Parts: sequence; structure tokens; C-alpha cells
Amino acid sequence: EPEVTQTPSHQVTQMGQEVILRCVPISNHLYFYWYRQILGQKVEFLVSFYNNEISEKSEIFDDQFSVERPDGSNFTLKIRSTKLEDSAMYFCASRAGLYSNQPQHFGDGTRLSIL
Amino acid sequence: KQEVTQIPAALSVPEGENLVLNCSFTDSAIYNLQWFRQDPGKGLTSLLLIQSSQREQTSGRLNASLDKSSGRSTLYIAASQPGDSATYLCAVRPQGGSEKLVFGKGTKLTVNP
Repeated sequence: EPEVTQTPSHQVTQMGQEVILRCVPISNHLYFYWYRQILGQKVEFLVSFYNNEISEKSEIFDDQFSVERPDGSNFTLKIRSTKLEDSAMYFCASRAGLYSNQPQHFGDGTRLSIL
Repeated sequence: KQEVTQIPAALSVPEGENLVLNCSFTDSAIYNLQWFRQDPGKGLTSLLLIQSSQREQTSGRLNASLDKSSGRSTLYIAASQPGDSATYLCAVRPQGGSEKLVFGKGTKLTVNP
């Protein structure tokens, strides 16, 4: 069964550095998402992406964050000038988009640790 | 603002028992509701999606119901097995064109052999 793949599985970065989290959504899916889960807390929506542009973003997704689909297969989340509170599990998800009521499929996540 | 609550936070049952996990949401204006399973250190596996117009969905030993007007959903697991041990998350997609899912904190299920 097709799946969303994320790399790396664990990223350790010094505070203030930039980090790029990578995702390969399921082939032929049209909608892409990033969520994060701080340890012990709920999964939180960050951003959705469709037709090569951001379709929706949360209050968390400020100027520190950006997303890009650099080619036909990858979807990236860039975090500039990382802070300690950015430490979390970051999940990428995708949805087929042919019908609005299709489920979102999630990857295994990237655990981001900011030191 | 939509809030999703899952009770209980943790549940421990003996193998073979039937069980129900609960999810409630504050705003009934939802497009659909999705149940996920999360294993420790892993991603979210989609289990069932219920459209706002549906009352229930079934997949194998899992049955999810939705009462949109009262803001409630339940996930029924029949004949539980140790392999069902995981955290179960409920998430709603609001109406109005939003793509985001709003998650509950989950119920951590332990099925003891």
C-alpha cells in the first residue's frame, strides 16, 4: 500500500540554526499538510498546500516557517532560526483530493530536537 | 473554536473484551471525522473516516459511530487483542472549506494477554 515517507526520522539541531524536513507524499495525491505534536500534547495543524500554494495555515505557522514543493515528488518544511520550543514530532500528510471526503494519510514523522 | 476531547485518557482491558472509545467535539459543524491509531514513536494510521452525513462506518473489528448533533463519536473495538494496544486519536475536519484536522489528545489503550 502506498505510504507517505519522511526523512530524516530524527533531526538534532542547535538553536538558531535552520532545518529542512522532507516528505514524499503518496503519488498522485494533490493536497499536502504539515502537523506537529509536542511531547505529551495534541497533534496540531500547521499548514495545508494545494496547487503549489499554501491554502491554509495556523497561527503557529509564522514567518519562521515555509513550505515548498521543489519537484513533482518532494514536499518540504523549512524552519528558520530554530527555537527550543520547536522541538516536536513533525508529521507530513497527503490526501488524494479527487473527492473531498477522502482521508488524510500520515507519515511516520520526523522527531526534531533543538539543543 | 473547535475543541476535541477524548475520554478516558487511558484504558486497560483483558484480551477478548469489547470496548468503546469516546470522542466529543464542541462545534457540530464538521465535514467529517477520522479515527487514527498511533503506535509509540510512529505516525498516525487512518482507521476510519465518517462523513458528516453518515451515522457509522465499519472496518473489520472496528465500528465508528457519529452523532453530529450531539457532538459525539465512538469507536467500538470487538474482541480486543494485544496487538490493538496503541493510542487512538479522533480528529474532525471543520465545515466551510477548511482542510485542517483538529485532534483530540487520544486514548491510550492497553490490551493485556
